[in-house]
This record gives sequence, C-alpha cells and structure tokens, in this order.
Amino acid sequence: GEDVEQSLFLSVREGDSSVINCTYTDSSSTYLYWYKQEPGAGLQLLTYIFSNMDMKQDQRLTVLLNKKDKHLSLRIADTQTGDSAIYFCAESSGTYKYIFGTGTRLKVLA
Amino acid sequence: DAGVIQSPRHEVTEMGQEVTLRCKPISGHNSLFWYRQTMMRGLELLIYFNNNVPIDDSGMPEDRFSAKMPNASFSTLKIQPSEPRDSAVYFCASSSSGRETQYFGPGTRLLVL
Repeated sequence: GEDVEQSLFLSVREGDSSVINCTYTDSSSTYLYWYKQEPGAGLQLLTYIFSNMDMKQDQRLTVLLNKKDKHLSLRIADTQTGDSAIYFCAESSGTYKYIFGTGTRLKVLA
Repeated sequence: DAGVIQSPRHEVTEMGQEVTLRCKPISGHNSLFWYRQTMMRGLELLIYFNNNVPIDDSGMPEDRFSAKMPNASFSTLKIQPSEPRDSAVYFCASSSSGRETQYFGPGTRLLVL
C-alpha cells in the first residue's frame, strides 16, 4: 500500500534553520501537506504544495518537492521555541484519502 | 471562523461503558472525517461523510463503533461497549469538499480504564 515516511526526531538550536524530510511512495500524489501538532492540540495545517510545483515559500516556511525522488521537505527559517511540535507530512492523490507520515518531533533548544 | 469544534476534550470512562464523541464542522463544509490517533498506528481514517452521507466506513474497527451525521453541522462517533484498547485521541476534520484541504479539530482524548 501507499506509505509516507518521516524521521522521528529532530533537534535544533533557536535561531537555526530546521529541515524536516518526508518520502512517499504514491506516484499519483497530487497534493502534499504539512501539518503541525502542538502538545494536547489538534493538527494545524501549515502549508501544502501541488505536485506540479517544485517549491513554495510562505514567510519562514519553505517547502521543496522532488517529484522524481518522491521527497518532500519543510524548512523553517529562524526556528523559535514556539516551533517545537510534531510535524506531519501527508499526501493525497486528489481524493479524500490522506496518507499521513508518523510525524517528526521537533525540539528547539534555547 | 470558529474552526472545527469537538466535545468533550477529555473523556475517562470504564470498560463496557458507552462513549459518545461530538463534532461540529466548519460552517459551509460538506465533508467530515473521523480519525483516530495512537502511538502504535499513527493517524487512521475511521469514516468519511459527504453531504451527511457515510461514503467510506472501511476504517471503523468493529461493530462497537458507529458514526452518524444527522445534519450538516453535527456528527457523533459512538463506542459501545468501550474497551481499554479504544484509548486514543479521536479527531474530527472537515473540508469544503472531499478533495479539498482538511481542517482538524482539537481532538478528544479518550481513556478507557
């Protein structure tokens, strides 16, 4: 079946850039999403990218998509302690079914 | 925009009891999803409604689970009888159509003792 993989943990220092990576297997993926989950909270949509795009930038967030390698990354510039959370990658082939990764726990050290 | 509203936020119950989780989707959204999140299995789609009609319930674990959507602004997920292995965070999400971006509620944290 389709799968989305992420590394489990990432630790960075405040002010540095964070890069969270994701790989997926579905070659028919149309939309790729990044969600953020803070402790005790729901999933907050951060950004998404269409599969016909290579890059999308939104303030401190930059999403890069390598469709050939089925690799998606989320770069957070100037990482702050408030960015500490679990980040989920998800893909959809344009239907209601999202395939979520296991989530990457980002810890920002002051 | 109030976002997706879920209640209760926390529920502690004893094995065998009935549990009802509630969800109010974003106004104007016609698609509603129930997910379950556990450490072992991550996020699982339980059921998907479109225009109040269940379209895909293949993720519902067993007959103890049931979901309804009597109108466009309300849905319930019921577990009867509950078991300890049902302990999880249950999320409701909605979207403006089945293919559009899903917006999640804050979740209900269920603990079955």
